[in-house]
Amino acid sequence: TQLLEQSPQFLSIQEGENLTVYCNSSSVFSSLQWYRQEPGEGPVLLVTVVTGGEVKKLKRLTFQFGDARKDSSLHITAAQPGDTGLYLCAGPFSGTYKYIFGTGTRLKVLA
Amino acid sequence: ETGVTQTPRHLVMGMTNKKSLKCEQHLGHNAMYWYKQSAKKPLELMFVYNFKEQTENNSVPSRFSPECPNSSHLFLHLHTLQPEDSALYLCASSQFSSERGAYEQYFGPGTRLTVT
Repeated sequence: TQLLEQSPQFLSIQEGENLTVYCNSSSVFSSLQWYRQEPGEGPVLLVTVVTGGEVKKLKRLTFQFGDARKDSSLHITAAQPGDTGLYLCAGPFSGTYKYIFGTGTRLKVLA
Repeated sequence: ETGVTQTPRHLVMGMTNKKSLKCEQHLGHNAMYWYKQSAKKPLELMFVYNFKEQTENNSVPSRFSPECPNSSHLFLHLHTLQPEDSALYLCASSQFSSERGAYEQYFGPGTRLTVT
C-alpha cells in the first residue's frame, strides 16, 4: 500500500522565517505534486516534480524531489501571512491518473 | 466559467433525505474524481471516472452513488447518510500534461456537507 507521510503536521511561525515541509514514502512515485488549500476552498496545484533530484522554484517556494523518487520537500523562504494554509503532497498510483494524498501540513504565518 | 465548479457550496441534510452534489469541469479533461475531506484525516479518494467509465470505487458505502453522464459532469447522489458523513466533498478533474510528464489534478471549491 502506497502511503505519503508529511511532517510536521502543524507549523506556526512568524513572518519572515524560513521553513521546510517534508513528504515521505517507502514507495517510489513516478511524480509528486504539491497543493495548497485555504479554508473553505479546494486544493490548488502548486507544482509537479517528475525527475529524481529535480528542484523547482516558484517565487519564495522551492520544491525538491528526492533522488530515489520516494520523498519530496517544500521550502519557503521569508514566509508571509499569505502563505498560510494546508499544504498537501500527492502522488499517482503506479503512474496512473489515480492519486493518494499526504497527511497534510497546516501552516500558519503570523504577522 | 472556467475551471471546476461545484454546487451547492453548503448543504445541510437530515439522515432520511436524498440530495445530489453536482460538479462541472470546463477544462476538457477526461478523468473526474470525488474526494472526501474530514477533519484530521487525509484526503480520501472515493470514486474515479475516466472517459465516463467508473474505474475506482474505494470501498465507499452504497449510500453514496456517483453518476457521470459525460466527461464534463459528475454527480454524487446521497441517500440515508450518517452524521459521520459530514465533511467537505471535493470534485477534481485531470488530464495528462505532456509538458510536465504527469497527470495534474484541478479541484473545485467543494461542498461542505452537514448531516443532522
